[in-house]
Amino acid sequence: DIQMTQSPSSLSASVGDRVTITCRASQGISTFLAWFQQKPGKAPKSLIYAASSLQSGVPSKFSGSRSGTDFTLTISSLQPEDSATYYCQQYNSFPQTFGQGTKVEIK
Amino acid sequence: QVQLVESGGGVVQPGESLRLSCAASGFIFSNYGMHWVRQAPGKGLEWVAFMRYDESNEYYEDSVKGRFTISRDYSKNTLFLHMNSLKPEDTAVYYCAKELLASCGGDCFSTFDIWGQGTMVTVSS
Repeated sequence: DIQMTQSPSSLSASVGDRVTITCRASQGISTFLAWFQQKPGKAPKSLIYAASSLQSGVPSKFSGSRSGTDFTLTISSLQPEDSATYYCQQYNSFPQTFGQGTKVEIK
Repeated sequence: QVQLVESGGGVVQPGESLRLSCAASGFIFSNYGMHWVRQAPGKGLEWVAFMRYDESNEYYEDSVKGRFTISRDYSKNTLFLHMNSLKPEDTAVYYCAKELLASCGGDCFSTFDIWGQGTMVTVSS
């Protein structure tokens, strides 16, 4: 199975800060990487697919990139509504696997 | 609008069975693969099962193989997860999710776009 390792596991940042979350795949997954946002008590929301493509309706402050087996989710200007847990997911092969999550809090 | 609504969760004892349903609306159900994903209390997301849009393939997470079965009823636009021999470690919120890409076959790779609200399954004696 492909292991997805996210870092950091949590972070605290101020409104307006640029925030970066990293996800590393244990083997090559091409660009078959997605990012999700989950707020407490709610279902996950799809943000990004194919490493860097925004899902419909997702604001452009979210962006994704890839460098080999390392993937990055960036929030360009953190807002209070961005407080959530973020997960990466590889869909290159079954079983599809998720990272352990990164909890983003507002200072 | 595109919507997925899960039902069928509840409290059961170890070894018992349960069937979850996911009612789909707002899209052509027969054109999309469908997944089940679960989340144990306080834990992260875990992919559980998948069925292709045309039922040509199904896949399972190792810990549920042989116990869970995914199926779909095209006439009712509904996805199911049949869960047998339930264990306490199956306790979780179960979400269904729709594939992003239509008619995604064996040489196609697709993640999810739409999730349901989830249904809670508790396995406890």
